[in-house]
Amino acid sequence: EADIYQTPRYLVIGTGKKITLECSQTMGHDKMYWYQQDPGMELHLIHYSYGVNSTEKGDLSSESTVSRIRTEHFPLTLESARPSHTSQYLCASSENERQETQYFGPGTRLLVL
Amino acid sequence: GESVGLHLPTLSVQEGDNSIINCAYSNSASDYFIWYKQESGKGPQFIIDIRSNMDKRQGQRVTVLLNKTVKHLSLQIAATQPGDSAVYFCAENGGGNQFYFGTGTSLTVIP
Repeated sequence: EADIYQTPRYLVIGTGKKITLECSQTMGHDKMYWYQQDPGMELHLIHYSYGVNSTEKGDLSSESTVSRIRTEHFPLTLESARPSHTSQYLCASSENERQETQYFGPGTRLLVL
Repeated sequence: GESVGLHLPTLSVQEGDNSIINCAYSNSASDYFIWYKQESGKGPQFIIDIRSNMDKRQGQRVTVLLNKTVKHLSLQIAATQPGDSAVYFCAENGGGNQFYFGTGTSLTVIP
């Protein structure tokens, strides 16, 4: 069982609201990731980080932003939520090797009305 | 871009039978592969991985086979149990920091 946590697990919010999805891991992993997953679809990488103060955009364009002030914490923020942001958001982390298994959190299911 | 595809979107098996889930990948430079299991409402859970210098790797009730010639990966689950019902993803990595995931195969175990 991986020690990676996401809150909230479910969120229903109105259009235009600012939201922050939390992700924390206690494994001391340097690398962290955010994926977006629609029902029945593959995971798409939207952000990743190599370590503190490092953030990069993934393949899928996203209006969200991330920050990495602490190793264990990698929050994702949407400044103004829209219905098109409705999806599942998965956070993952891995050790700082060239290729290492990514461990996933339970996900946040977001519904924007 | 990368392309990771699964041959069958759904698979139903009788409890106790063996299951085989297939995955095709397109990037011949990919050298690290992972199988994940995702249960409803949960995040993907690591099952087993394999590097390209191997053809086969076994875990507890699971075996992954890699055929680099045809760029094919398979996951075999022995004596499938109801708890194995889930969506199974393969993921590939070509040496960078990004994994590419398939859409998944939904496995249903019939009691």
